[in-house]
Amino acid sequence: DVRLEESGGGLVKPGGSLRLSCAASGFSLSSFDMNWVRQAPGKGLEWVSSISSRSSFADYADSVKGRFTISRDNAKNLLFLEMDSLRDEDTALYYCATRNFYHSGDYYSLYFESWGLGSLVTVSS
Amino acid sequence: DILVTQSPSSLSASVGDRVTITCRASQKIDICLNWYQQKPGTAPKLLIYGASTLQSGVPSRFSGSGFGTEFTLTITNLQPGDFATYFCQQSYNTPETFGQGTKVEIK
Repeated sequence: DVRLEESGGGLVKPGGSLRLSCAASGFSLSSFDMNWVRQAPGKGLEWVSSISSRSSFADYADSVKGRFTISRDNAKNLLFLEMDSLRDEDTALYYCATRNFYHSGDYYSLYFESWGLGSLVTVSS
Repeated sequence: DILVTQSPSSLSASVGDRVTITCRASQKIDICLNWYQQKPGTAPKLLIYGASTLQSGVPSRFSGSGFGTEFTLTITNLQPGDFATYFCQQSYNTPETFGQGTKVEIK
C-alpha cells in the first residue's frame, strides 16, 4: 500500500521554527517530485513547496519564500519542510503529496496523486 | 499567478441527482486541470486529472471535461458518499493554484 505519513507539527509562537517530516512507505520516494500543500482551518488548499525527485530543483509559494526550506532524503524515504520565522497565517494542516505526470498527445498535466493525512501546525502566542 | 474561479461555492442536491461544478482559469491552461474530493477530517482525494482522465478506482459517475480556460466536473446519479467538498487545481504554472471549493450538501 502506498502511504505517506506526516509528523512534526505542533504549537509554536510567532517567530518560532518547526520541522515537518513526511515518511513514505509502500513505494520509493525517489520516483516522484514531492510537494507540501496546506489548508488553514475551514479554508481551501494552498500549494506551499515542491522538490524534484533528485533535489535538483525546489520551488516555493511567495507567502513562504525565504522562510521555508524543502528537502528530502531518498535513501530514508523521507521528505522535510523546515519552517522558520513562523507567522499566525502559517497556521494550517500541512499535507505532503506526490506529484505525478500525465501525457496525452501534445498536452500534459501534473497532479497530486497520493496524499498523507496531514500534520497540524498552530502558530499562536 | 493563474486565478482559478470555481462555482458555485455550495449547492444542495438529492441522491440520484446530476451535479455540475465549473472552474474557470484566468488564462489558458490546456488540460492542466485536476479535480479533488475532500470529506471532513480527511485528505483530498484525486478524482480527475488532465481535465478528463478518471483516476483509478473512482466511480464512472464522475466525469470531467474542458480545455483551455473552462472546465466542468459532473457527477451523475449522486450517491450518499459523494456529499463532500470538491476542489479544482491548475498545474500549468507554479504556483499551482486551487479553486475555492464547492461544498455539495444534501437537500
